Amino acid sequence: AQTVTQSQPEMSVQEAETVTLSCTYDTSESDYYLFWYKQPPSRQMILVIRQEAYKQQNATENRFSVNFQKAAKSFSLKISDSQLGDAAMYFCAYRNTNTGNQFYFGTGTSLTVIP
Amino acid sequence: NAGVTQTPKFQVLKTGQSMTLQCAQDMNHEYMSWYRQDPGMGLRLIHYSVGAGITDQGEVPNGYNVSRSTTEDFPLRLLSAAPSQTSVYFCASRSLYYTGELFFGEGSRLTVL
Repeated sequence: AQTVTQSQPEMSVQEAETVTLSCTYDTSESDYYLFWYKQPPSRQMILVIRQEAYKQQNATENRFSVNFQKAAKSFSLKISDSQLGDAAMYFCAYRNTNTGNQFYFGTGTSLTVIP
Repeated sequence: NAGVTQTPKFQVLKTGQSMTLQCAQDMNHEYMSWYRQDPGMGLRLIHYSVGAGITDQGEVPNGYNVSRSTTEDFPLRLLSAAPSQTSVYFCASRSLYYTGELFFGEGSRLTVL
């Protein structure tokens, strides 16, 4: 079974600084998708960024970018110029394209932004 | 743009009571699913469906029942609530024919006393 590991339960960053959230996953598949979701205190789950495994180029969405290392099965999220509104729980997720179409989520990283 | 709509947002039950969490989506998504979120455990899949009349179990299906009579609706039924079912529940849907990100409802906080 696929597993997703987020080894940092809590992180903090100074406003305007950069922070990197870690995620590793376990799979024997070669074709899959990876996602980062943000869950602010409102509880709503919001897609931050996605990465297709067949793409070598790291995905970027404004201040959010990923470092996708396929061989190492690592998928970290970098948040640049951190803002107070970035404070949230962040979940890493994996989806296989071949079997079951299931999403597998990590346990989350709680990010605090310090003014 | 309603997206995925869940009701109720909050519910308190007594042990042994039954209830249904409603979920509706207006994006014509084939895939619908229910997750529960517990502290330190991330999101765990309860049940899912890939189309009307088709449902299957996820990681933690015990104590829950689902049905999918239409593309739009995917209710989750708690047959006899237990304190272990105290959790936040999310309904999520996605297209099977695209990169398939999950679209989530706002969540339902359920407390079983």
